Amino acid sequence: QVQLVQSGAEVRNPGASVKVSCKASGYTFTGYYMHWLRQAAGQGLEWMGRINPNSGAPNYAQNFQGRVTMTRDTSINTAYMELSRLTSGDTAVYYCAREWDYGAVDYWGQGTLVTVSS
Amino acid sequence: ETVLTQSPGTLSLSPGERATLSCRASQSVSSRASQSGSLAWYQQKPGQAPRLLIYGASSRATGIPDRFSGSGSGTDFTLTISRLEPEDFAVYYCQQYGSSPPTFGQGTKLEIK
Repeated sequence: QVQLVQSGAEVRNPGASVKVSCKASGYTFTGYYMHWLRQAAGQGLEWMGRINPNSGAPNYAQNFQGRVTMTRDTSINTAYMELSRLTSGDTAVYYCAREWDYGAVDYWGQGTLVTVSS
Repeated sequence: ETVLTQSPGTLSLSPGERATLSCRASQSVSSRASQSGSLAWYQQKPGQAPRLLIYGASSRATGIPDRFSGSGSGTDFTLTISRLEPEDFAVYYCQQYGSSPPTFGQGTKLEIK
């Protein structure tokens, strides 16, 4: 069965960076784009970007250009999302999710809470 | 970017009733890649990741009960739950992926009356 397992909760100071991992299993990792989204407490969903695990080519949302880096390691079927220059506004649950139908997402990770606080 | 507006913000209904949720886009939602409307619906319960219900405006995702149905095209889309079960009370989001960036509506909370 398809599973996406994310790394655990993180706490960072403002100005720092965080890197979240997403290990995929149960399907061909290189066959599906991987998306990253986030959700602040009590808020809606925000798309951050996606990566083609086959080529490694990313597409980033304009709001995160210059601050986000998405990578992957095909040897261990894992995608990564690194966000730099963190502020309190980046406090949220971050999700990885597998693409379906050219842009929807069908399987989600369990989420990783990133808290930015001094 | 395409703005999605969901209505109502909160819907109060009883188990067994029919729920109709609306999603309106600021511009037509379509793409050359997906032959149908590039519109998805998700269900989210507290403390859980969203779950894909509908993609391509009207196709049910794997394992989704047939009481969930999606319809619409262009800029107006609807999610219908024909007969509410207790587990259906949650927040529902629509998402368009016909143009970049993909965007989500603000959500409709379906609560027990």
